[in-house]
Amino acid sequence: ETGVTQSPTHLIKTRGQQVTLRCSSQSGHNTVSWYQQALGQGPQFIFQYYREEENGRGNFPPRFSGLQFPNYSSELNVNALELDDSALYLCASSRTSGVFYNEQFFGPGTRLTVL
Amino acid sequence: AQKVTQAQTEISVVEKEDVTLDCVYETRDTTYYLFWYKQPPSGELVFLIRRNSFDEQNEISGRYSWNFQKSTSSFNFTITASQVVDSAVYFCALSEPDNYGQNFVFGPGTRLSVLP
Repeated sequence: ETGVTQSPTHLIKTRGQQVTLRCSSQSGHNTVSWYQQALGQGPQFIFQYYREEENGRGNFPPRFSGLQFPNYSSELNVNALELDDSALYLCASSRTSGVFYNEQFFGPGTRLTVL
Repeated sequence: AQKVTQAQTEISVVEKEDVTLDCVYETRDTTYYLFWYKQPPSGELVFLIRRNSFDEQNEISGRYSWNFQKSTSSFNFTITASQVVDSAVYFCALSEPDNYGQNFVFGPGTRLSVLP
């Protein structure tokens, strides 16, 4: 196990609703990245949070937003849910040192189903 | 732009056969990292290996081995004497680190089924 936890494990929502997914990073890690993995595809980068600010974003609309808290845990919020938002959402934590590469550790994911 | 291609969508082998999973990447950076992850049915991504762009030495870890060739932009993964527990989806990923961390670009994955 990586020490990265996510909640909830599974979630069912209806189109148009809003959802919040949570991620607790591994101890000592200060960076959290979120990925969306649609069925049968590889994970796609949504955004990354470092020092409580968004630090890089993939090709996702503004209705995907996030937060990082002082304890480095993070939330992913999705507004106005669409059917295509159904996916496994993965978070990954790492420790950014500014110079060296830092390993990303993935959580078990939250499976979101939008009906 | 970064891109990772895994041309094999699905592979089926019989237990104890050797199998190679292909990965071809595209990047304009000279510094980058390549990864392989395993995703069992439970969904969690399991880290297998990381290589940086300056280290082309092949690596062996038990039944797993990796062949990194910059000349062909490939980073292939071989499982020797496959086992049923190797059945999973395998992802190759590329990362170009910047000062604040790194974002991964994943390939589409190869689903490996090892039959008893």
